[in-house]
Amino acid sequence: KAGVTQTPRYLIKTRGQQVTLSCSPISGHRSVSWYQQTPGQGLQFLFEYFSETQRNKGNFPGRFSGRQFSNSRSEMNVSTLELGDSALYLCASSLVLSGGAGETQYFGPGTRLLVL
Amino acid sequence: ILNVEQSPQSLHVQEGDSTNFTCSFPSSNFYALHWYRWETAKSPEALFVMTLNGDEKKKGRISATLNTKEGYSYLYIKGSQPEDSATYLCAFPVQGAQKLVFGQGTRLTINP
Repeated sequence: KAGVTQTPRYLIKTRGQQVTLSCSPISGHRSVSWYQQTPGQGLQFLFEYFSETQRNKGNFPGRFSGRQFSNSRSEMNVSTLELGDSALYLCASSLVLSGGAGETQYFGPGTRLLVL
Repeated sequence: ILNVEQSPQSLHVQEGDSTNFTCSFPSSNFYALHWYRWETAKSPEALFVMTLNGDEKKKGRISATLNTKEGYSYLYIKGSQPEDSATYLCAFPVQGAQKLVFGQGTRLTINP
């Protein structure tokens, strides 16, 4: 079974630009979550999508947005990039992240974004 | 704000030695705790999902225990090998919120 894939793997942008990152979950998984990892901050939850609906959002500014398509693929978008947005962005998929059963999330390799 | 804390932040261990580290989490409204291993340049890999007080899980030389009443979990590695070098993360699912809150991780380096 193919794992979670993310594209692109590396990206360099300049301040003020916008960026779109893509995540393809494991086949059959319907929940996709996004996390940001920066040095010293650990993995911070951005948002989670299930059946094309955002079910939860972390404490990030409105410049961070996402969506999920009918095939469960997900994209996240960051508009008006700031230097502090430089980070590793990970997505994770699970069958149905019910929040009750301790279901495992499977992570992709991440997209490393550098904002200059 | 939900806090998940891991200690120590980093650890250097001689090959062949055993080691352990801690994850502390809120003891109220507990229903699961996840452990992940994250090797450099790879994806975080799920190790264990622990759900019951007193739970003990094992995978090869790695094992984990859980105490939900006092809010901690230990991860043990027996006879450390260089391939055990990684960051070990614990994560606490937030009930009803469909998200995991991660600790900062313990960065383990095995010295040959």
